[in-house]
Amino acid sequence: GENVEQHPSTLSVQEGDSAVIKCTYSDSASNYFPWYKQELGKGPQLIIDIRSNVGEKKDQRIAVTLNKTAKHFSLHITETQPEDSAVYFCAPPRRDDKIIFGKGTRLHILP
Amino acid sequence: KAGVTQTPRYLIKTRGQQVTLSCSPISGHRSVSWYQQTPGQGLQFLFEYFSETQRNKGNFPGRFSGRQFSNSRSEMNVSTLELGDSALYLCASRLAGVTYNEQFFGPGTRLTVL
Repeated sequence: GENVEQHPSTLSVQEGDSAVIKCTYSDSASNYFPWYKQELGKGPQLIIDIRSNVGEKKDQRIAVTLNKTAKHFSLHITETQPEDSAVYFCAPPRRDDKIIFGKGTRLHILP
Repeated sequence: KAGVTQTPRYLIKTRGQQVTLSCSPISGHRSVSWYQQTPGQGLQFLFEYFSETQRNKGNFPGRFSGRQFSNSRSEMNVSTLELGDSALYLCASRLAGVTYNEQFFGPGTRLTVL
């Protein structure tokens, strides 16, 4: 997506290991940083988000960390399970209020 | 509470035809956004409607248009279809036109242009 870079585009991890996906944005006005998960045949669904006044947020096995200085935020999934296999998108909003999604990261959890 | 619904779920059209897709947001949500999803380009923003007005627009040609009704339901129209318009079209609704509102997505309409 324009001005939103997501890495890696594909990630394979062994079940039980951790996965990290990074999103880099350019609009310094961004103040809300969500991650969406899209399973096969479904629309994306919000799994975790963070506001700019917080550096880290955790919800069970998933966490998001924010580095406003470097303009990137990351999704961390620990103790990965087969149901974590999906495509993950970041979508930092911009000052013109457009919500632009990254190109997505396809996560494969290997048995 | 019912989620976002999109109709139809699947559609097959031929080049040159036009198509209209429909989206019903979650009750009370006034913002509806449309996205085109293709394997190579990911999720691309088409436009957003809020209270019957287009608030934002992506970088798509004028063949792509939309509208929103007073009940917040939205329609998207694509005229003079091209093969490259084959994609999954997703709509998403949110409570109000504020950036830190969660977007709720529908299941999408899979459009195939032959």
